[in-house]
Amino acid sequence: DAGVIQSPRHEVTEMGQEVTLRCKPISGHNSLFWYRQTMMRGLELLIYFNNNVPIDDSGMPEDRFSAKMPNASFSTLKIQPSEPRDSAVYFCASSFYGGEQFFGPGTRLTVL
Amino acid sequence: GDSVTQMEGPVTLSEEAFLTINCTYTATGYPSLFWYVQYPGEGLQLLLKATKADDKGSNKGFEATYRKETTSFHLEKGSVQVSDSAVYFCALTQGSQGNLIFGKGTKLSVKP
Repeated sequence: DAGVIQSPRHEVTEMGQEVTLRCKPISGHNSLFWYRQTMMRGLELLIYFNNNVPIDDSGMPEDRFSAKMPNASFSTLKIQPSEPRDSAVYFCASSFYGGEQFFGPGTRLTVL
Repeated sequence: GDSVTQMEGPVTLSEEAFLTINCTYTATGYPSLFWYVQYPGEGLQLLLKATKADDKGSNKGFEATYRKETTSFHLEKGSVQVSDSAVYFCALTQGSQGNLIFGKGTKLSVKP
């Protein structure tokens, strides 16, 4: 298996632009997690899905952030409009029924 | 709420030195405990885990024992190598949902 796939690996955008991050979980996994990593705040869970249904989005910073999982093999995290403070590395992870989480390589987002 | 506290880094050691990274947790119930490792430019990888009190997780020469009486899960390795240089995260999860709560991470640098 290719593991969790994230795209793009790097994204540089200007303040106010829309940003869409993509994740393909490992085939057969039913849970998907979005994390954000910054120097100041460490690793934070933004949202997670079980069987494509959002379970807990309390970590989503504000209404500018939204996440979808239209099917078992694809999820997006969208920021609109983006702000410089959104600059971070965003990780996607997947697991099978609460087991070990497998992380993708991350998307490094820079908002100028 | 549940939380994880791990020692501040960075930690710098010489090759073959003994490593301890302290981790304590606050949680209701009986969490599962994990150590994840993040190599430069990569996502997190599970290093070891323990699911109940007195369990010892081990992998690649690293060990950690789930101590309920001290709410601790300290990571140890008897002889570190340069290739162990990475950031180490202690984490916990409750129940079957699987959402991880991470510590801030401890950066380890091993010098030849």
